[in-house]
Amino acid sequence: EAQVTQNPRYLITVTGKKLTVTCSQNMNHEYMSWYRQDPGLGLRQIYYSMNVEVTDKGDVPEGYKVSRKEKRNFPLILESPSPNQTSLYFCASRRGLAYEQYFGPGTRLTVT
Amino acid sequence: AQSVTQLGSHVSVSEGALVLLRCNYSSSVPPYLFWYVQYPNQGLQLLLKYTTGATLVKGINGFEAEFKKSETSFHLTKPSAHMSDAAEYFCAVNSGGYQKVTFGTGTKLQVIP
Repeated sequence: EAQVTQNPRYLITVTGKKLTVTCSQNMNHEYMSWYRQDPGLGLRQIYYSMNVEVTDKGDVPEGYKVSRKEKRNFPLILESPSPNQTSLYFCASRRGLAYEQYFGPGTRLTVT
Repeated sequence: AQSVTQLGSHVSVSEGALVLLRCNYSSSVPPYLFWYVQYPNQGLQLLLKYTTGATLVKGINGFEAEFKKSETSFHLTKPSAHMSDAAEYFCAVNSGGYQKVTFGTGTKLQVIP
């Protein structure tokens, strides 16, 4: 089954404790992205990747890091989480620019 | 630069009534336009998309949208609302050749029995 998986689905952590949210896709897609969803703000792109070792900033990259060492994986790293990073995070992948994105189930992160 | 505006954060319709969700975009180059639906506690899934060709596009669950370049709009419609259509709907734009995807702020659709 074609899918995007994210782990963990739920995470509660404390300010400053480094964390990683994993994302993996099994569709051999070139493009992958991370978004955060906040009430009233829709989805905002954090980072995107066009291929292995090729990443770029989206609209809200501050406080986040990503890496793309393998085509299928695109982890999101919060080196020093802060409460304003409490949000619902989605990973997505797509075949190309004219194609739709496939979304993971989301990761709800709470930073206290 | 690109942007998306969805008018109305909440829309209520009666079951069986017309659904109209508005989306306007701005893009300096020909856009790729998408509508996604999000059911409670789920990720987003594609309803329909416009890339090139026919400006009236049909999607899943009886939804359709028309790309109107002169009005920079891509409104989503469905002739007859069903209770199962209650969800949040997002319009998104990806300008051709541009890597970023910009989403609107979403419209929550309520269907009243």
